[in-house]
Amino acid sequence: GDSVTQMEGPVTLSEEAFLTINCTYTATGYPSLFWYVQYPGEGLQLLLKATKADDKGSNKGFEATYRKETTSFHLEKGSVQVSDSAVYFCALGTGGSYIPTFGRGTSLIVHP
Amino acid sequence: EAGVTQFPSHSVIEKGQTVTLRCDPISGHDNLYWYRRVMGKEIKFLLHFVKESKQDESGMPNNRFLAERTGGTYSTLKVQPAELEDSGVYFCASSYRAEADGYTFGSGTRLTVV
Repeated sequence: GDSVTQMEGPVTLSEEAFLTINCTYTATGYPSLFWYVQYPGEGLQLLLKATKADDKGSNKGFEATYRKETTSFHLEKGSVQVSDSAVYFCALGTGGSYIPTFGRGTSLIVHP
Repeated sequence: EAGVTQFPSHSVIEKGQTVTLRCDPISGHDNLYWYRRVMGKEIKFLLHFVKESKQDESGMPNNRFLAERTGGTYSTLKVQPAELEDSGVYFCASSYRAEADGYTFGSGTRLTVV
């Protein structure tokens, strides 16, 4: 079945450091890929998405490129801020109903 | 536009009791989903409504869980009787065109069964 694998957390960085959170997937068909973020005390929010191979999703300085050849959708940001501290979930959606399959989430902690 | 609303935000109940969680989706979103995240694990799909009909309930763990969506508007998820392993965060999400727009999630209900 479909699955998403994310790197284990927590990821701890200093402010302005470069961020990469790895995400790989297995899926039948051609999935859409998503990154969701959950800030403390809030619900999941869609951060960015890509619907086909080689698409790049971007938002709030975060980027991820849909790599079909490596089945990956790694999340990157060039300079993180304390306010980026949150849990990040990689997800994919396939099929007619596009019910997303989520990874375990990666906690990001950014220190001043 | 109002978001997806869930309540209560927290619930602590004893094993064997009943709890009902509620989700109000975004108006006009026919698709409504329930998910659960047990501490540190994946967010697991429970079920999917299209309007008032259950489109897919393959993720419901057992018959102690009952979901309804009255008139295709809000939805409730009842756990009866609750067990310790039911503890976790229950998320609701709604969508109009999921494949294009993604999903809008509520802030979740944290359920603790003691």
